[in-house]
Amino acid sequence: SQQGEEDPQALSIQEGENATMNCSYKTSINNLQWYRQNSGRGLVHLILIRSNEREKHSGRLRVTLDTSKKSSSLLITASRAADTASYFCATDTGGFKTIFGAGTRLFVKA
Amino acid sequence: ETGVTQTPRHLVMGMTNKKSLKCEQHLGHNAMYWYKQSAKKPLELMFVYSLEERVENNSVPSRFSPECPNSSHLFLHLHTLQPEDSALYLCASSHPGTGDTEAFFGQGTRLTVV
Repeated sequence: SQQGEEDPQALSIQEGENATMNCSYKTSINNLQWYRQNSGRGLVHLILIRSNEREKHSGRLRVTLDTSKKSSSLLITASRAADTASYFCATDTGGFKTIFGAGTRLFVKA
Repeated sequence: ETGVTQTPRHLVMGMTNKKSLKCEQHLGHNAMYWYKQSAKKPLELMFVYSLEERVENNSVPSRFSPECPNSSHLFLHLHTLQPEDSALYLCASSHPGTGDTEAFFGQGTRLTVV
């Protein structure tokens, strides 16, 4: 079974609303990363949170990490149509293994 | 532009063809990766090269053959593929050991096997 699992699988919201995506994982991690992918393109790194951090901000993005629950959330505030994409969490468990989940597809309606 | 370039962007090949995918990075990273992305499935890590040595091979069929001639270039040689191998193939690079291990991805090669 995969290490990272995103929830929900798909999310549709209106422009201006906030979007929250969750990620759960199974094993201990060094850090957790969130990526964005526009349709059929490569993934773009958004933000990394280390295992000893609880919250991190970058522009309209807010990431939380709860290592006791092995979960993370990505909040996009004041969403825009251009935020429409798939969002993936990825866990770094050491070595060269960064394991990606199946992603959340976000659709922001203008 | 992430600094990782993949060619070609699109490839259609028959099951008896031989083709190669190319990936190039000039970010000074020492690790390079091949991922396979199929519809509605998680990214599958196929191969990892560190300092030009293969360090991960996740049970990938032998019809996929990677090559890493130097730290900036990575190839994926394809032969006698199956239709189920049709997918987006993504190359990535990173610099493990520097603390923050985020990966930089290329735009991918959309492969269709007919």
